[in-house]
Amino acid sequence: GAGVSQSPRYKVAKRGQDVALRCDPISGHVSLFWYQQALGQGPEFLTYFQNEAQLDKSGLPSDRFFAERPEGSVSTLKIQRTQQEDSAVYLCASQGAANEKLFFGSGTQLSVL
Amino acid sequence: SQQGEEDPQALSIQEGENATMNCSYKTSINNLQWYRQNSGRGLVHLILIRSNEREKHSGRLRVTLDTSKKSSSLLITASRAADTASYFCATEGSGTYKYIFGTGTRLKVLA
Repeated sequence: GAGVSQSPRYKVAKRGQDVALRCDPISGHVSLFWYQQALGQGPEFLTYFQNEAQLDKSGLPSDRFFAERPEGSVSTLKIQRTQQEDSAVYLCASQGAANEKLFFGSGTQLSVL
Repeated sequence: SQQGEEDPQALSIQEGENATMNCSYKTSINNLQWYRQNSGRGLVHLILIRSNEREKHSGRLRVTLDTSKKSSSLLITASRAADTASYFCATEGSGTYKYIFGTGTRLKVLA
């Protein structure tokens, strides 16, 4: 595709609801990253995939957060039983080769009420 | 937690002036990248500098890297109002794949 696509662009959830955020990386990109960005802060690493393998999930804040990339392309970040502190922008990035630049999507802004 | 810290946190300059932002990090790295983020949008890659490089240029951008001090600087020359954005450094730690972002510098260029 032309770029990294994320959906939905905005998501409002009631506390306790489950949400699923989708990322379509650039076609052929092996690496995929998820980041969480709070207002006024820098992006915080959540997890990293190389093809379908989740090689690093050290940044996931709790076991309510789960990410998958079953076929090595589209990825989904799922948050169960959302809490107010989960409100943030969730950014996805893909990378064509190691040690090269990241291409970011526009993010999903999650608001938990 | 974030590895990088940027300085200053906020910077306000007049159009035509130069803007300098600094980034410090904590561990050894493979490379360091600078990104720009307009309000409410995704991050856009500006420039990548590898650990064995000391300086790189791209248009009005100049980046330096000092691995002995674990620091980098981004210079934007002849700034324009359109350069108004937040700027972040991101480091790829040696032996890791993940990129750790700094806290960002919010640049405002006044016309």
